[in-house]
Amino acid sequence: KNQVEQSPQSLIILEGKNCTLQCNYTVSPFSNLRWYKQDTGRGPVSLTIMTFSENTKSNGRYTATLDADTKQSSLHITASQLSDSASYICVVSDRGSTLGRLYFGRGTQLTVWP
Amino acid sequence: EADIYQTPRYLVIGTGKKITLECSQTMGHDKMYWYQQDPGMELHLIHYSYGVNSTEKGDLSSESTVSRIRTEHFPLTLESARPSHTSQYLCASSEPGRNEKLFFGSGTQLSVL
Repeated sequence: KNQVEQSPQSLIILEGKNCTLQCNYTVSPFSNLRWYKQDTGRGPVSLTIMTFSENTKSNGRYTATLDADTKQSSLHITASQLSDSASYICVVSDRGSTLGRLYFGRGTQLTVWP
Repeated sequence: EADIYQTPRYLVIGTGKKITLECSQTMGHDKMYWYQQDPGMELHLIHYSYGVNSTEKGDLSSESTVSRIRTEHFPLTLESARPSHTSQYLCASSEPGRNEKLFFGSGTQLSVL
């Protein structure tokens, strides 16, 4: 069964600190892995998209890594800000169809305290 | 910011009412999607469209229906709302290309009493 598991489920950190969120997946065949940020009551916004051949990608203070061999990804947030408080969702796409089916994780709820 | 819009943002209605959730995008994307999301849970695909006059059901069974008469417009309709339909509904479109980046609207939070 294709699945995407994220950990931790929730995380509280102090402003200015770094943190790392984890994503493990069993989706096969693999096409790409995406990280989204979803503010409360809003739609998800894309942070990064990585294909099989990419093992790291950055977007400002966000850096995603991918190990396609172990089927693990992480999202590292540097020097956290209050505005980073959100749910971070890992999404994996397979190559099973032209659409490329998407498998969503349940997200990690990050809270940044002042 | 994505140019994809959903209305209304919030909707509280009584059981049995017919409702339509609106979704429009100005990016000219052919592919559009409707997702359902409950608190703390993953997004579930309920409908998608490859273009005008193309609609398909997604992975999650839904009593809603969709239409795609114009490229930019992808409304979702519930003929008779029930409390079990209470959820957040997210509309999205994807740009062409191998990775098909998704752009989401802000969502409609539906509460059926």
